Amino acid sequence: AQSVAQPEDQVNVAEGNPLTVKCTYSVSGNPYLFWYVQYPNRGLQFLLKYITGDNLVKGSYGFEAEFNKSQTSFHLKKPSALVSDSALYFCAVREKSSASKIIFGSGTRLSIRP
Amino acid sequence: EAQVTQNPRYLITVTGKKLTVTCSQNMNHEYMSWYRQDPGLGLRQIYYSMNVEVTDKGDVPEGYKASRKEKRNFPLILESPSPNQTSLYFCASSFRDRVDSPLHFGNGTRLTVT
Repeated sequence: AQSVAQPEDQVNVAEGNPLTVKCTYSVSGNPYLFWYVQYPNRGLQFLLKYITGDNLVKGSYGFEAEFNKSQTSFHLKKPSALVSDSALYFCAVREKSSASKIIFGSGTRLSIRP
Repeated sequence: EAQVTQNPRYLITVTGKKLTVTCSQNMNHEYMSWYRQDPGLGLRQIYYSMNVEVTDKGDVPEGYKASRKEKRNFPLILESPSPNQTSLYFCASSFRDRVDSPLHFGNGTRLTVT
């Protein structure tokens, strides 16, 4: 069965420091992987995705994510955090063989202190 | 502007009083889905639709109904709401045949059942 794990409920980082939000997944076939961000009182917004090819994908707002097939991970990263990056982040996986099934992780709250 | 519109944004009701949460998208998406968001549980899929007149249950369908009569609309019905359905609800849509396409989310409906 498909599953997505975000092992950290909260990540705290000082402004200007690099940040990492972790995600691991389990699927039976090749996955499509996504990161979404949720700001207060808003729906989720798409940040970036991995489909195939280069393991390092770049997305909106300076975020990037690294796909690691052997570790079944898709960690979200940013070289220099901004206070405005504070939000709730969700990792999601969609199997290529099942367009209907999209599984979300439990979410990680990112807090950037000035 | 491309968007997913949910109504209402906030709803307080009493146990057993039938209610409908509406969802409409203007992007000609075939795939639409309803999720509920609860702390620590991430997003869980309630119902999804691959196209008009094609609807199926997600992971947590008990107590909900959904039907797709038109491509742009996908309402969620709670026939007899109970307090355990108090949650934040999101509607989302995407292209069906492009499984790498990200979901577009509405801004959410916060439901309280007393």
